[in-house]
Parts: sequence; C-alpha cells; structure tokens
Amino acid sequence: EIVLTQSPATLSLSPGKKATLSCRASQSVSSYLAWYQQKPGQAPRLLIYDASNRATGIPARFSGSGSGTDFTLTISSLEPEDFAVYYCQQGSNWALTFGGGTKVEIK
Amino acid sequence: EVQVVESGGGLVQPGGSLRLSCAGSGFTFSTYSMNWVRQAPGKGLEWVSYISTSSSTIYYADSVKGRFTISRDNAENSLYLQMNSLRDEDTAVYFCAKALRFKNYFDYWGQGTLVTVSS
Repeated sequence: EIVLTQSPATLSLSPGKKATLSCRASQSVSSYLAWYQQKPGQAPRLLIYDASNRATGIPARFSGSGSGTDFTLTISSLEPEDFAVYYCQQGSNWALTFGGGTKVEIK
Repeated sequence: EVQVVESGGGLVQPGGSLRLSCAGSGFTFSTYSMNWVRQAPGKGLEWVSYISTSSSTIYYADSVKGRFTISRDNAENSLYLQMNSLRDEDTAVYFCAKALRFKNYFDYWGQGTLVTVSS
C-alpha cells in the first residue's frame, strides 16, 4: 500500500497570503495524484487531478505540481472560503489511498 | 445536474449487517466506475471499494475484504454496499463517489450516510 504523508498538519495564514501544501508518497505514483478540499459537514471536492489539472469549475488560484513522490498544492492568494482541510489521493495503485490531510486555518 | 445520494445508514450492533444504497442521477450511470469512501468521526478519508462499469472489476481495501460486497444495478442507476460482520472500527460516514472518467479519482460525492457500530 502506498502511504501518502502530508505536511504541515496545520497551516495558519491570513487571507490574501499564499498557501503551499505538500504531499509525499512512499513510492512513485508518477503523476497519478489528486487534491481535494473538505469543509466541516461537507463532502470532499475534487480540486486537482493528475497532479496539475484543475477540475471543472475550480478557480485558477489553485494549482498543483510535482511527479514521482513529491507533490505540491498551491493556493496563490487565500480567499475566506479556502479555509478548510485538504487531502491528497493517489490513483496509481490499488488500494487507492489518501494522505492524512492539512488543515488551512485563519491566522 | 450530477447527483449521488446515499441511504441506508444507521445504528447496528457489532457482528451485524447493513446494506447501503446510492442513487445516481444527472449522468449516464452505466458508463462510470463508482466507489465507496468512508470517514470515521474526526478522522481522514479512507477508500473502501471500487466497481467498474460492468461490474467485471472489483477492488476492496484490506480492512473490509471478505466482509463487504460492492454491487451495482445499471438499470436502476444504483450502487450498493453490503456490509457484514461489522466492527466498531467500521463506524464512519460512508460516501458514494463517482469516478472521473477513465481515472481513479472522485469528481462527485454524495453527502454521506452515517453508520454507527455499537452495542
């Protein structure tokens, strides 16, 4: 099973700042990595797939990069609605696995 | 509008059984793979099971293999999860998730149904 490790666990930033979230895989997943956003009491929302492709309707301030074992989700300028928990997920191997999440909170 | 709606959750004793259902609408259900993903209270996401469009390919997480069975009825636009021999650690919100076409990612999720395993 591929283990995904996300860092930091919590990121405290002010609106308008840039957020950089990391996801590291225990073995190469090529570019088969996605990012999701989840707000309390809601289902996750797909943001990025195949490491760098924005899903339908996702604002351009969200971008993804990386390949192999190291991936990054960048939010260029935080909006109030962006404070949430973010998960990475690998789509390379069965079983599909998620990272433990990064909480982006208001500083 | 694409929608997936889960039902069937509830309180069950350890060792008991429960069947979850998921109704898809707003898309051609028979042409998309489907999944179940769960989230224990206050915890992260855990993929549970996958089923291909024709049910010919099925995968399970090791944590549920041999106890859970995924199935689908394309004529009814429905996905199911039969859960047997339930354990305390199966307590979670269970999400039905539509797969992005030809990809192992989830582009539409239901709101989830809560399964509580407790005596």
